[in-house]
Amino acid sequence: GENVEQHPSTLSVQEGDSAVIKCTYSDSASNYFPWYKQELGKGPQLIIDIRSNVGEKKDQRIAVTLNKTAKHFSLHITETQPEDSAVYFCAASTGTGANNLFFGTGTRLTVIP
Amino acid sequence: DVKVTQSSRYLVKRTGEKVFLECVQDMDHENMFWYRQDPGLGLRLIYFSYDVKMKEKGDIPEGYSVSREKKERFSLILESASTNQTSMYLCASSLESGSGYEQYFGPGTRLTVT
Repeated sequence: GENVEQHPSTLSVQEGDSAVIKCTYSDSASNYFPWYKQELGKGPQLIIDIRSNVGEKKDQRIAVTLNKTAKHFSLHITETQPEDSAVYFCAASTGTGANNLFFGTGTRLTVIP
Repeated sequence: DVKVTQSSRYLVKRTGEKVFLECVQDMDHENMFWYRQDPGLGLRLIYFSYDVKMKEKGDIPEGYSVSREKKERFSLILESASTNQTSMYLCASSLESGSGYEQYFGPGTRLTVT
């Protein structure tokens, strides 16, 4: 099955700096790559996603890039704010099952004011 | 807005007890999922269901079963709880296909088995 690796496991940045989280996947059939944000006491929530026919997608301060050849994708957050502090999960899907998602192990991002 | 609710936020059970975790979604989603979340391991899929009365094993089904008698409700059952099942349990739902890859999560149930 699909295996998704995520790095780093923890990341601390100064407010206003950029944060980058990287993931690799193993199954070349994966075609959908979402990123979820989990705030304390809440379930994960989708913040951005990208499909395999697109190399980059941006939504305000958040962007995701995908390199299909290398089988890796990254989340970029610019101008970080304290409310960006959370755990971030990457995931990949081949569309099998019920479009099952395979999740990375998570990155705890702390933005220092 | 899609809403996924879970019956309990915190639960403490004894070893050997039968435990029921309930999940309800209000958006008529076909797919529903149960995950457990453990530090350093991310989210691991226990079971999923793509229709009423249909269920499929995920990556870690051992020690768990599920029930989906109605479209909006998906239950996770621990037949005989053990301490290694102490974890955060997350329920999610999604549409069947097309753009329906997004999964909507409930707030989670933190289960402690003593």
